[in-house]
Amino acid sequence: GQNIDQPTEMTATEGAIVQINCTYQTSGFNGLFWYQQHAGEAPTFLSYNVLDGLEEKGRFSSFLSRSKGYSYLLLKELQMKDSASYLCAVLDSNYQLIWGAGTKLIIKP
Amino acid sequence: GAGVSQSPRYKVAKRGQDVALRCDPISGHVSLFWYQQALGQGPEFLTYFQNEAQLDKSGLPSDRFFAERPEGSVSTLKIQRTQQEDSAVYLCASSLKGTGVPHEQFFGPGTRLTVL
Repeated sequence: GQNIDQPTEMTATEGAIVQINCTYQTSGFNGLFWYQQHAGEAPTFLSYNVLDGLEEKGRFSSFLSRSKGYSYLLLKELQMKDSASYLCAVLDSNYQLIWGAGTKLIIKP
Repeated sequence: GAGVSQSPRYKVAKRGQDVALRCDPISGHVSLFWYQQALGQGPEFLTYFQNEAQLDKSGLPSDRFFAERPEGSVSTLKIQRTQQEDSAVYLCASSLKGTGVPHEQFFGPGTRLTVL
């Protein structure tokens, strides 16, 4: 079966750095997406990785290792507005997005 | 606005009632997706359209669920004889490209359906 695993909840301090991990087992791989979802709102796109390595975009970076079936999202200089759920999703061989359950990130002052 | 819109934002239905949820994708977007999201979970795929063609409906949970996109733009998800387990947020997303081309999906705000 297809499976995406990420921690249910994480807590971090404002101004700090946090890394949210995602491991996946899917039928085929056409890339991995990270989305941010604030409570009661729609998911919004953060990043897309299809090749191994680190993609940096401002305070957010995303890393992929296809051989390990592993990705992480790194958030630097955390702000209170970063409190949200972070969803990992893999595009499988049918180009269908398979979603993780999301990691709820709580930022404390 | 230029984003994906959905209506209604909130819908309360009595068990057994039929409901229709509407999605207006971003103009020109080829692909349209419907997802069901339970509280504290990630979205679960329901169905996918490329223009007016429904290419994948493998995620629809039962034959009570029906979706259409007759002119390749607006889509409607219809649920007949609603049950309590249908209570969820229904998300619509659109994407510029068709299948076979990885492209980010833009999500609407969702319709929160509560079945009493």
